[in-house]
Amino acid sequence: DGGITQSPKYLFRKEGQNVTLSCEQNLNHDAMYWYRQDPGQGLRLIYYSQIVNDFQKGDIAEGYSVSREKKESFPLTVTSAQKNPTAFYLCASRWGTGSAGELFFGEGSRLTVL
Amino acid sequence: GESVGLHLPTLSVQEGDNSIINCAYSNSASDYFIWYKQESGKGPQFIIDIRSNMDKRQGQRVTVLLNKTVKHLSLQIAATQPGDSAVYFCAENPSSGYSTLTFGKGTMLLVSP
Repeated sequence: DGGITQSPKYLFRKEGQNVTLSCEQNLNHDAMYWYRQDPGQGLRLIYYSQIVNDFQKGDIAEGYSVSREKKESFPLTVTSAQKNPTAFYLCASRWGTGSAGELFFGEGSRLTVL
Repeated sequence: GESVGLHLPTLSVQEGDNSIINCAYSNSASDYFIWYKQESGKGPQFIIDIRSNMDKRQGQRVTVLLNKTVKHLSLQIAATQPGDSAVYFCAENPSSGYSTLTFGKGTMLLVSP
């Protein structure tokens, strides 16, 4: 089945630790995205990538890092510099790099800082 | 409607009623709009989309209306079912060539049997 796979689904982290969230897609999509969702809030863009080996900061990139070494993969690292990392993280992808088109989402990863 | 703080606007309906969820978007240059449904603990799912050169688009049990004059988008769900209970988000593509979507804060739809 084609889709987007995020792992782990739940993750606990101690303060001061970096953690990496995985996102893999087999849809052959060019563009991939990371969004953060807080309770009762909409989705806020962290980073996005339109092509391998290139990515751009979104609205809330501070304290996060990404890489795009393969078309299928777009991992997100939540660093110790992120002041409030507890949230629900969503990865998405879509065809092409043009203006319009549906985003396909993974099932999310919930990060809790202890 | 749009939310303030941690509390989402909530629409409560009875099973079988028609539901209308509203969204005000921010950018008059936006050329594409989407509605997503998100169930608790899951990723958003596509419902329906509309381009800015249209006023109305219909899907199965859903209709999206776009009023560019007042920058307003609505989602109509016919014969609402308990399985429709979820948070609904609208999203806009700010302008041609812009490669991301900007999301509203969502409306919770509660359907009682």
